[in-house]
Amino acid sequence: GNSVTQMEGPVTLSEEAFLTINCTYTATGYPSLFWYVQYPGEGLQLLLKATKADDKGSNKGFEATYRKETTSFHLEKGSVQVSDSAVYFCALSAGNTPLVFGKGTRLSVIA
Amino acid sequence: EAGVAQSPRYKIIEKRQSVAFWCNPISGHATLYWYQQILGQGPKLLIQFQNNGVVDDSQLPKDRFSAERLKGVDSTLKIQPAKLEDSAVYLCASSFGDRVITEAFFGQGTRLTVV
Repeated sequence: GNSVTQMEGPVTLSEEAFLTINCTYTATGYPSLFWYVQYPGEGLQLLLKATKADDKGSNKGFEATYRKETTSFHLEKGSVQVSDSAVYFCALSAGNTPLVFGKGTRLSVIA
Repeated sequence: EAGVAQSPRYKIIEKRQSVAFWCNPISGHATLYWYQQILGQGPKLLIQFQNNGVVDDSQLPKDRFSAERLKGVDSTLKIQPAKLEDSAVYLCASSFGDRVITEAFFGQGTRLTVV
C-alpha cells in the first residue's frame, strides 16, 4: 500500500541554519506529494505541494522537489527562523485517495 | 473565509463511556474527512464523505466508531464505548472537490483523553 517515511525528530537548529527534512514514499501509480505544517496549538496547514515528477513546490522560503527516481520529496529551507518551529508532515495522495501522512518531524529553532 | 470548525477542543472521559465530536467544514466543500492522530504519529484516515455519502470507511473501527454527515454539511463522529487506545487528536478536514490536490483544510482538532 501507499506509505510515507520521514526522518525522525526532534530536529533542533540555530536561527539561520540550513534545514533538510527527508521524506521518501512508496506508492502505486503517480502520487501527488505534500508537506503540511502544524504550528503549536493550530491545525494542519498545507505548506507546499508537487503533483508530478521534477515539480518543485515552494512557499515561505521552503522548497521540495518531487524526485521520482529516488521516490523522495525532501523539505529544505536555507535559513530557518524561530517562527518556523513546528511539526512538519510529509504526505501523499495517489489516484484520488485521501492523504497518507508520515509520522511527522518536530523542528525547534533556537535564537 | 471561515475555516473548518471543530468542537469540543478537549474531552476527557472514562473508558467504556461514549463521546461525540462535531465538525463544520468550509462552506461549499463537498468532501469531508475524519482523521485520528495518535501522539507521535501522523494522522490516519478514519472516514471520507463526499456530500452525505461515505466514500471510504475501511479504516473505521465500526464496532465502536460511527460517523454521519447529514445534509452533506456538518458531521459528527461518535465513539461508543471508548477504550484507552482511543486517546488521540481527532482531526476534521474538508476539500472543495473529490480530488485531494485541490487542498484539504484542517480544523484544530479535538484532543480526546480516555482514562
